[in-house]
Amino acid sequence: KAGVTQTPRYLIKTRGQQVTLSCSPISGHRSVSWYQQTPGQGLQFLFEYFSETQRNKGNFPGRFSGRQFSNSRSEMNVSTLELGDSALYLCASSHSRGGSSYEQYFGPGTRLTVT
Amino acid sequence: AQSVTQLGSHVSVSEGALVLLRCNYSSSVPPYLFWYVQYPNQGLQLLLKYTSAATLVKGINGFEAEFKKSETSFHLTKPSAHMSDAAEYFCAVSEGETSGSRLTFGEGTQLTVNP
Repeated sequence: KAGVTQTPRYLIKTRGQQVTLSCSPISGHRSVSWYQQTPGQGLQFLFEYFSETQRNKGNFPGRFSGRQFSNSRSEMNVSTLELGDSALYLCASSHSRGGSSYEQYFGPGTRLTVT
Repeated sequence: AQSVTQLGSHVSVSEGALVLLRCNYSSSVPPYLFWYVQYPNQGLQLLLKYTSAATLVKGINGFEAEFKKSETSFHLTKPSAHMSDAAEYFCAVSEGETSGSRLTFGEGTQLTVNP
């Protein structure tokens, strides 16, 4: 089975611009979560989508948004980029939202640099 | 609310020595607990998980962890370190159905293996 894929892997943007990141989950997985990883704040949860609906949201400003399509692929968007948005953005997928078989698998991440 | 504390941001061991990475958690409900490993410029790889079955959990690459409810701990161990174990390790907690796919991560522990 193919793993979680994220595109692009690297991105350089300028302050004030917007960016869209893409994530394709493992086949059959319906839950997609997004995390931001920075040296200062560590790994922080952004949001979770399940069956095209946002089910959970972390403590991030409204500039961060996302969506999920009917094939479970997900995108996240960051508008009006700030220098502090520079980070590794990780996408993770899971078959379920809980239960004893619950496991979350991560993609390689998208490295976003804001200049 | 759930939280995770990893004691020791850096741990250094000699090749062949015991690896012990500490993780303590806080959760208002019986938790699901995970250990992930991250190699440079890569995403997170699941090492092992605890989801209320056996308290001693065996994972990949010779790692194991023991869930101790009385100590709210989930420490990761490996009897004999290998050079290839050098990486950053993250402990994470989920409150299962309560928090869906949301994982809360510890700050991470950078493991160095000396020859």
